[in-house]
Amino acid sequence: QKEVEQNSGPLSVPEGAIASLNCTYSDRGSQSFFWYRQYSGKSPELIMFIYSNGDKEDGRFTAQLNKASQYVSLLIRDSQPSDSATYLCAPLPQRGKFQFGAGTQVVVTP
Amino acid sequence: DAEITQSPRHKITETGRQVTLACHQTWNHNNMFWYRQDLGHGLRLIHYSYGVQDTNKGEVSDGYSVSRSNTEDLPLTLESAASSQTSVYFCASSEAGPGELFFGEGSRLTVL
Repeated sequence: QKEVEQNSGPLSVPEGAIASLNCTYSDRGSQSFFWYRQYSGKSPELIMFIYSNGDKEDGRFTAQLNKASQYVSLLIRDSQPSDSATYLCAPLPQRGKFQFGAGTQVVVTP
Repeated sequence: DAEITQSPRHKITETGRQVTLACHQTWNHNNMFWYRQDLGHGLRLIHYSYGVQDTNKGEVSDGYSVSRSNTEDLPLTLESAASSQTSVYFCASSEAGPGELFFGEGSRLTVL
């Protein structure tokens, strides 16, 4: 079993709707998580960091962490065509060794 | 501004040739990483380094090597390129403590 699992998609979302992405992890010691966004042909860029149970909101993005159930999710409200990208989940590593999930491709349709 | 740069951005080579991808960062980060990205596999860790003279194997290290002679650079070498190594390669760096990973622009390698 991989340390981090994500549904590869593609997740098709109508413009203006909410996109919901999930990430499950196997290491119960994982305390914090990063969400990266990667546009086609570009390098990943950080969009969210969550380090405690519950929700963290940043603009149209909300990250939710549930340590008991070992999953972290990302909600994108009012989805825009510019949100079409692959979203990568990664736990904060113990010693800097980042391991990523395979990523979920999101396609926002007009 | 601090940055991380990779070169070359695009490379076409032949099977059996040695190839080196350069990575240079000006963040003064101790941690540096090399990933490859293939469709359906996401980012897979090849090698990583926590500081000068330190190198470690990642999950897909066979056929690759790295060396760390200074803080700024972590070159990735393919000793004898194979078609299976056709991929997009990303270099990244982070501070020694918990923190964000910064990525280079990527190097697209094609092995014919």
